[in-house]
Parts: sequence; structure tokens; C-alpha cells
Amino acid sequence: EDQVTQSPEALRLQEGESSSLNCSYTVSGLRGLFWYRQDPGKGPEFLFTLYSAGEEKEKERLKATLTKKESFLHITAPKPEDSATYLCAVQAGGSSNTGKLIFGQGTTLQVKP
Amino acid sequence: NAGVTQTPKFQVLKTGQSMTLQCAQDMNHEYMSWYRQDPGMGLRLIHYSVGAGITDQGEVPNGYNVSRSTTEDFPLRLLSAAPSQTSVYFCASSYSYDPRLAGAGGELFFGEGSRLTVL
Repeated sequence: EDQVTQSPEALRLQEGESSSLNCSYTVSGLRGLFWYRQDPGKGPEFLFTLYSAGEEKEKERLKATLTKKESFLHITAPKPEDSATYLCAVQAGGSSNTGKLIFGQGTTLQVKP
Repeated sequence: NAGVTQTPKFQVLKTGQSMTLQCAQDMNHEYMSWYRQDPGMGLRLIHYSVGAGITDQGEVPNGYNVSRSTTEDFPLRLLSAAPSQTSVYFCASSYSYDPRLAGAGGELFFGEGSRLTVL
């Protein structure tokens, strides 16, 4: 069964304290792994797509990496405005694939000044 | 551009009532979808559409109907509301959907959500 697990569920950081969020996945033929950011009361906002192991993407203080079993979202010197819930999703391949996304439960990040 | 617009933002229903959640996008996206988000469950796909006149079921379709008569609109109908349908609903769209293309359909634009409570 295709599955996505994110850890930790919640993370509290001091401003400037770098850390990483984990997304572990089990999927039959990965077509893509996606990271989203969700602010309270809002819809998710797309951040990155990763297609193959070894790929990396960066945007400001965020860097996403991908291996064959997991993805990391590294946050360097975070600021309070980086506080949000970060969602990971995978798109499975295979003959039954219809491109549906399977989402993890998210990691809620709080960055204190 | 407005992006993806959902209405209403909040709704309270009684068990057995029916209603329609509206979703419209102005980006000429082929792919549209409805998700529900529940605490501890993550986002789950209800129904999706790869173009006008084409719809299909997602992971949790029971109790919901959809139609896609135009590219822009993708309403979600609750036929007979149940307390288990209390949730936050998100409509999302993407520029294209082709399972032959890696990543297609994965870069979704989401609406701001509709919070539904069924008593």
C-alpha cells in the first residue's frame, strides 16, 4: 500500500536554529514528490517538486532533498514567518496510476523570535 | 487573477440536508480536484476531473457527487449530509494532467477552503 509518513508531527525552533523535516514514503514507482506549505486557515501552497533520488531544490531558506525512501526539507536560519505546516505528497506510478497525490499528515513548525 | 475560488467559506448543516460547495478557477487548468482535510488524517482525495465532462473517484468518494460542465467550474455536492462529513474541504487545480508526464497534476493550486460542520 502506498504510504507517506512525516516526522516530527510538531517542531519548535528558535529563530536562526536550523533543522530538518522528514518525509518517508512507500510507493510503487515514484513519479514525483511534492512539498507544500500551509498557513492556518489557508489552502496549501506549492513549494517544490522532486522527481528522482539525488535531486535537490532550494528556495530562500528552504532546501528539499530526495532519496529512494525519504525526502528532507532543510530549513536554514529560520525566521518566525517560516512558521507553518509543511506537507509532503507523492505521486505513484504503475499501471493503475491516475496521478493521484498521497499526502502525509504534515509537520507543524513554530519558529520563535 | 483570482486563482481558485471556493464558496462558501463556512457552512453548518443538519444531518440529511444537501448542499453544494462551489469551486471556480480562472487559470484555464484542465485538472481539478476536491480534497478533505481532517485532523490526523492528512488531505484525502474525494473526486477529480481531467477535463470538462470527465470525472472520476478518489480515495473517499462516498456521499459526494461532482460534475464538470465547464473548464472553470467543479462543484462538489453532498447528497445527504452526515456528521462524518464534518471537515475542511479544499478544491485544487493544476495546469495539466497526463500520467505519462512525471509530476503532472502534482503542482496544485488550492483554494482557501470551506469549513463544513454537520450536526
